Amino acid sequence: GIQVEQSPPDLILQEGANSTLRCNFSDSVNNLQWFHQNPWGQLINLFYIPSGTKQNGRLSATTVATERYSLLYISSSQTTDSGVYFCAVRRDAGGTSYGKLTFGQGTILTVHP
Amino acid sequence: DAGITQSPRYKITETGRQVTLMCHQTWSHSYMFWYRQDLGHGLRLIYYSAAADITDKGEVPDGYVVSRSKTENFPLTLESATRSQTSVYFCASLTMNTEAFFGQGTRLTVV
Repeated sequence: GIQVEQSPPDLILQEGANSTLRCNFSDSVNNLQWFHQNPWGQLINLFYIPSGTKQNGRLSATTVATERYSLLYISSSQTTDSGVYFCAVRRDAGGTSYGKLTFGQGTILTVHP
Repeated sequence: DAGITQSPRYKITETGRQVTLMCHQTWSHSYMFWYRQDLGHGLRLIYYSAAADITDKGEVPDGYVVSRSKTENFPLTLESATRSQTSVYFCASLTMNTEAFFGQGTRLTVV
């Protein structure tokens, strides 16, 4: 199956700093999502980004599918950004085999005030 | 409430007991999934369903049973709970060409 690697595994920042999280995947994919798991355990959708670049406020993401990686940028980090960031990929095939996500191990982000 | 909801949010059960985790979505999404989250393993797929009465195994299906008699519900049953099934369980749903949305999770402890 597809392997998904995220880096760095841990990241500690001061409030206001910028950061880049990386997601590498071992094979071609149809879709890719970024999630934020908050301290209460909830998985929050950040981006649905099979290719190209998207921005949402202080966050942006870029996926280069041909080179099998995606980047998540967090600018002017806030303490509420703390949590675990997951990358998950899909190789959607026809029929009933659709939508299955393979997750990376996550990046644990801690933002200090 | 619109969206995808799981129940219960927390559950403690004894080894050998049967326990069912519920998942309900209001979007009429065709596809539904169960994942478990464990330290060191991230989230792994247990079972998935493409439509009512169509289910298939994921990466870690042993010890679990699913059913899907209605589009909106996708219960996950542990037939005889074991300590190794202590985990956080997430249900998700999506439809064609859309992103997956996850429920709040169920934290299950098997003692």
